[in-house]
Amino acid sequence: SQQGEEDPQALSIQEGENATMNCSYKTSINNLQWYRQNSGRGLVHLILIRSNEREKHSGRLRVTLDTSKKSSSLLITASRAADTASYFCATDATDSWGKLQFGAGTQVVVTP
Amino acid sequence: EPEVTQTPSHQVTQMGQEVILRCVPISNHLYFYWYRQILGQKVEFLVSFYNNEISEKSEIFDDQFSVERPDGSNFTLKIRSTKLEDSAMYFCASSRGRSGNTIYFGEGSWLTVV
Repeated sequence: SQQGEEDPQALSIQEGENATMNCSYKTSINNLQWYRQNSGRGLVHLILIRSNEREKHSGRLRVTLDTSKKSSSLLITASRAADTASYFCATDATDSWGKLQFGAGTQVVVTP
Repeated sequence: EPEVTQTPSHQVTQMGQEVILRCVPISNHLYFYWYRQILGQKVEFLVSFYNNEISEKSEIFDDQFSVERPDGSNFTLKIRSTKLEDSAMYFCASSRGRSGNTIYFGEGSWLTVV
């Protein structure tokens, strides 16, 4: 089954605007992690949210988790050109520790 | 901040050749992983490794693949007899624990099989 499907697939915004992307998944999870990937580069960890948490903040990032709806959202506030990247959610299912399942990602372009 | 480091960053190899991708996980981490990302596709789990043995592997991780921790710092992925479809970015990752722990990824090794 598909896990960690992001929506939208692509997002184009101007500097200073907020960017919101969503992630849906199908099975029970231990936690959900958000990563950023610049083109052709590695995966940079942004935030981990555990299944018993509903919201976490880190700088300009805000992540929510709704386990009843099996969905998560990532909000980037006051976006900058340097936020241009692909953003992925990755779920860690309860029956499979450490085996992250990634979605296809949301490609975010922030124009100055 | 500690990092997962990977070498080489790029490798081009002929079909049928053996390739070894190397990784140095974060020093106090106990769990190690390999993932891959074929161009334009999702990041896929290959294998997890703990206490010198494979914890879990995906269906992709067949007999062509092997992993090893040859010493206290390195973690390697060996691909025997490479195929064209093995061309991908291979990511090494590590975490301190298994449950609820952040998994940190390296910059990846681009493998092109020609």
